[in-house]
Amino acid sequence: AQTVTQSQPEMSVQEAETVTLSCTYDTSESDYYLFWYKQPPSRQMILVIRQEAYKQQNATENRFSVNFQKAAKSFSLKISDSQLGDAAMYFCAYKKGGSEKLVFGKGTKLTVNP
Amino acid sequence: SQTIHQWPATLVQPVGSPLSLECTVEGTSNPNLYWYRQAAGRGLQLLFYSVGIGQISSEVPQNLSASRPQDRQFILSSKKLLLSDSGFYLCAWSNMGQGTWEQYFGPGTRLTVT
Repeated sequence: AQTVTQSQPEMSVQEAETVTLSCTYDTSESDYYLFWYKQPPSRQMILVIRQEAYKQQNATENRFSVNFQKAAKSFSLKISDSQLGDAAMYFCAYKKGGSEKLVFGKGTKLTVNP
Repeated sequence: SQTIHQWPATLVQPVGSPLSLECTVEGTSNPNLYWYRQAAGRGLQLLFYSVGIGQISSEVPQNLSASRPQDRQFILSSKKLLLSDSGFYLCAWSNMGQGTWEQYFGPGTRLTVT
């Protein structure tokens, strides 16, 4: 079964600095998708960024970018110029191609210090 | 644009009482729909998903059931709630037929069983 591991239960960053959240996954599939979701105190899950496994280029969305290392099965999220509104739980998720199921990691709580 | 609604936002129910949570999606047709549960301090667990009206797949055998009476309506039910049913329930949609293979989440329902 596929598993997603987020080894950092908590992280903190100073406002305007850069932080990287780690995620590793275990799969034997070649067709899959990876996601980062943000869950602020309101608890609504917000899609931050997505990556298709067949794409070699790392995805980028404004201040958010990923470092996708397929051979190492690593999918880290980099947040640049951190803002107070970035404070939230961040979940890494995996989806096998053709499957309906998202497999989530246990999350990393990010604190942004002013 | 697509929007997803869930109600109620908060619910407190006694053990043994019935449950009905509703989710509706606007702005898309024939979406895939999902129910997730998030226990306190943990990631999300997929409970049910549906690829069409009347089509329900269960991921975890439990005290809950789901139904999809209309294309964009998804209902989570229970005949008799257990204390262990407490949690945060999230509905999500995707639409691979329209190229939307990522899942978008609703605002959630916080259920407390007393």
